[in-house]
Amino acid sequence: DVKVTQSSRYLVKRTGEKVFLECVQDMDHENMFWYRQDPGLGLRLIYFSYDVKMKEKGDIPEGYSVSREKKERFSLILESASTNQTSMYLCASSLETGSTGNTIYFGEGSWLTVV
Amino acid sequence: GEDVEQSLFLSVREGDSSVINCTYTDSSSTYLYWYKQEPGAGLQLLTYIFSNMDMKQDQRLTVLLNKKDKHLSLRIADTQTGDSAIYFCAESNDNYGQNFVFGPGTRLSVLP
Repeated sequence: DVKVTQSSRYLVKRTGEKVFLECVQDMDHENMFWYRQDPGLGLRLIYFSYDVKMKEKGDIPEGYSVSREKKERFSLILESASTNQTSMYLCASSLETGSTGNTIYFGEGSWLTVV
Repeated sequence: GEDVEQSLFLSVREGDSSVINCTYTDSSSTYLYWYKQEPGAGLQLLTYIFSNMDMKQDQRLTVLLNKKDKHLSLRIADTQTGDSAIYFCAESNDNYGQNFVFGPGTRLSVLP
């Protein structure tokens, strides 16, 4: 079975703190993604990575950075958390098959509250 | 750019059929997906359909694709309270598994 695991389900952090959200997948997928989900705004892509140490900005990268040192692990970093980063964060992964029919799989989400 | 649209809310009575609709703009979409998100959880893949198909059935779920109108629907037969969730339509058109476009999600409420 496909498994994407987000290490923290619920976090409360203070404004200005550095925050790490960790994600691990066990399917040997090349691609990994970080989205945030807010009511009325749907899913918005923050960053994705297509290989170790490779990353691409998504639609809303400002205030975030990412790290992919190993194929199975993709971290989202908030250098200095702000209250407008309070949100649900979703990690996902997909296989690069070289043909169509790729499917994206999601973790359970991390609820971050910045106070 | 590519866009996927869905109505935001749908209410049905338990035991009735639910039909959730989706329209997309990308004529080169090759795979279309339905995901379910239960409260507080991530997105779970329900089913997908390849663009050269017009229908796919999986137990209580029926997916219909009208490629000419770029319209996708998900029918849930005999809707149960456990089907209450947000349903996301998504499309993909690349060979690298990198480009997925999601709709805003339809919140399905099942009334007893």
